[in-house]
Amino acid sequence: AQSVTQLDSHVSVSEGTPVLLRCNYSSSYSPSLFWYVQHPNKGLQLLLKYTSAATLVKGINGFEAEFKKSETSFHLTKPSAHMSDAAEYFCVVSESGGTSYGKLTFGQGTILTVHP
Amino acid sequence: EPEVTQTPSHQVTQMGQEVILRCVPISNHLYFYWYRQILGQKVEFLVSFYNNEISEKSEIFDDQFSVERPDGSNFTLKIRSTKLEDSAMYFCASSDQRVSSRQETQYFGPGTRLLVL
Repeated sequence: AQSVTQLDSHVSVSEGTPVLLRCNYSSSYSPSLFWYVQHPNKGLQLLLKYTSAATLVKGINGFEAEFKKSETSFHLTKPSAHMSDAAEYFCVVSESGGTSYGKLTFGQGTILTVHP
Repeated sequence: EPEVTQTPSHQVTQMGQEVILRCVPISNHLYFYWYRQILGQKVEFLVSFYNNEISEKSEIFDDQFSVERPDGSNFTLKIRSTKLEDSAMYFCASSDQRVSSRQETQYFGPGTRLLVL
């Protein structure tokens, strides 16, 4: 079985400061991990994904995430927040090798607020 | 850039009524999904669909739910007799590869917000 825990329901930062959104996962098989972002009244947009290649994954809009198997973590970071980054972020896991082909399991989401 | 579209964006219905939520996946995609998010809760998997068959369904996806690909472009979710607890945001997603290839990415639509009164 797979599960995802996002450690913060809300994160608030000032524009220009670093962003850290934390995610821990549990998976019985080799996981694929994703971060999706949802802006108000918009669909879920893929930020980045890890699928067993490089452990440091770069995504769109300057975001990146590092897969740490020993810590079962996949935290999302950005060096400098922009006002347009304000949104809800979802950490997502998908198992490969299990019986659940295609099923994504979502974390509960982290709302990022960016102050001027 | 191709995108998944969903209609309607909002739907209000009376308890016991049937609703059909519509999705147009990305045109060359072969795998289709429905997820839902009840207000304040996690996004949760409902069903996956490939080759005109359900591949997997969750415990939520009971006999009140059905999915269909009636033509080459639409993918629908039907709720036969809505309950109050069906009120949620429903997301459609599509992909062109299975997760077992480790390359699958699911692309999501903007969602349909369903309110059952």
